[in-house]
Amino acid sequence: AQKITQTQPGMFVQEKEAVTLDCTYDTSDPSYGLFWYKQPSSGEMIFLIYQGSYDQQNATEGRYSLNFQKARKSANLVISASQLGDSAMYFCAMREGQNTGFQKLVFGTGTRLLVSP
Amino acid sequence: NAGVTQTPKFQVLKTGQSMTLQCAQDMNHNSMYWYRQDPGMGLRLIYYSASEGTTDKGEVPNGYNVSRLNKREFSLRLESAAPSQTSVYFCASSDLLSNSPLHFGNGTRLTVT
Repeated sequence: AQKITQTQPGMFVQEKEAVTLDCTYDTSDPSYGLFWYKQPSSGEMIFLIYQGSYDQQNATEGRYSLNFQKARKSANLVISASQLGDSAMYFCAMREGQNTGFQKLVFGTGTRLLVSP
Repeated sequence: NAGVTQTPKFQVLKTGQSMTLQCAQDMNHNSMYWYRQDPGMGLRLIYYSASEGTTDKGEVPNGYNVSRLNKREFSLRLESAAPSQTSVYFCASSDLLSNSPLHFGNGTRLTVT
């Protein structure tokens, strides 16, 4: 079974609107971490936001927030007030288990977001 | 700060040739990783090194070897390249905190003909 599932291969949004990118995960470990990365067309991987399984509140970083629904095993990324520079590939990733000093991340297949003027 | 530096940026190999991808980080991170990215498949872990002196297999280790030369450097070697190894390769590093993200290099685009 896929550990990380991103069901939206592509998403379109107009500038200044909000968009939600879906991510569901599969683990039986009570301790895990969820990460979102952005990959622009230039190819680099840019870390956006982190949510730990025991975190009480949803993570936020500027215009990025994570809608974490533990019972549903979903960790959707919400981008508010989209900008043209947000056009990129977005990856959800998970670390299973406690962090024992290294982060073995499993990645989803990604969602390509296109922001139009 | 350079962060994570990978060389080369691009490489074309013929089937059967060997090569080593170099990676160095200047963030004093303990852990380093090699991932490959293929269209439609996200990133998959090839090998990782939790600390200097240790290396372990990831999800797709066949056809690769690694060396953690010191705390800064982690190289990936293809002994006999195959067309199936055509991919974009990313090196990454992380520190010890549970919320520490992976810091990625800019990638190496490898084509095996």
